[in-house]
Amino acid sequence: GENVEQHPSTLSVQEGDSAVIKCTYSDSASNYFPWYKQELGKRPQLIIDIRSNVGEKKDQRIAVTLNKTAKHFSLHITETQPEDSAVYFCAASKEGGSTLGRLYFGRGTQLTVWP
Amino acid sequence: DVKVTQSSRYLVKRTGEKVFLECVQDMDHENMFWYRQDPGLGLRLIYFSYDVKMKEKGDIPEGYSVSREKKERFSLILESASTNQTSMYLCASSFPLVTRETTDTQYFGPGTRLTVL
Repeated sequence: GENVEQHPSTLSVQEGDSAVIKCTYSDSASNYFPWYKQELGKRPQLIIDIRSNVGEKKDQRIAVTLNKTAKHFSLHITETQPEDSAVYFCAASKEGGSTLGRLYFGRGTQLTVWP
Repeated sequence: DVKVTQSSRYLVKRTGEKVFLECVQDMDHENMFWYRQDPGLGLRLIYFSYDVKMKEKGDIPEGYSVSREKKERFSLILESASTNQTSMYLCASSFPLVTRETTDTQYFGPGTRLTVL
């Protein structure tokens, strides 16, 4: 099955700085890569996703890049704010494939943004 | 707006008790999932279901079972609760077949924090 590794497990940045979280996956057939944000005491929520036919996607201060050859994808947050503090999870799946909608999650990154 | 609800936010049970955790979604999603979340271990899949009465084991099914009698409801059952099952349990759903969206985006419930004494 798919194996998703996520680094770092914790990340501390100063407000205004950029933050980068990296994930690798093992199954070259994976084609859908979402990122979830989980604030303290709340449920994980999708913040951005990318499909394998695209190399980069941006939404305001967040962006995701995908390198299919190297089988890794990254989340970039620019101009970080204290409200960006949360646990971030990457995931991979074979959308429309035989895995019945299953997402394979990384272990998460605790991002702390200091004011 | 997708709504996924779970029967309890907090639950305290005793070792050996049979525990039922319920999840309901109101968006006619085909797929439903049960995860367990522990610090440093991320979201681990226990079981999932892609249709009524259908189920698939995830990565850590031991000690758990599931039931999906209706499309909107997915129950997680701890047959005989043990202290190592103390955890946060999250339910999720995905794949609105009726809209033909081919997306695996999952929508999560608020979680149930279960403590087994």
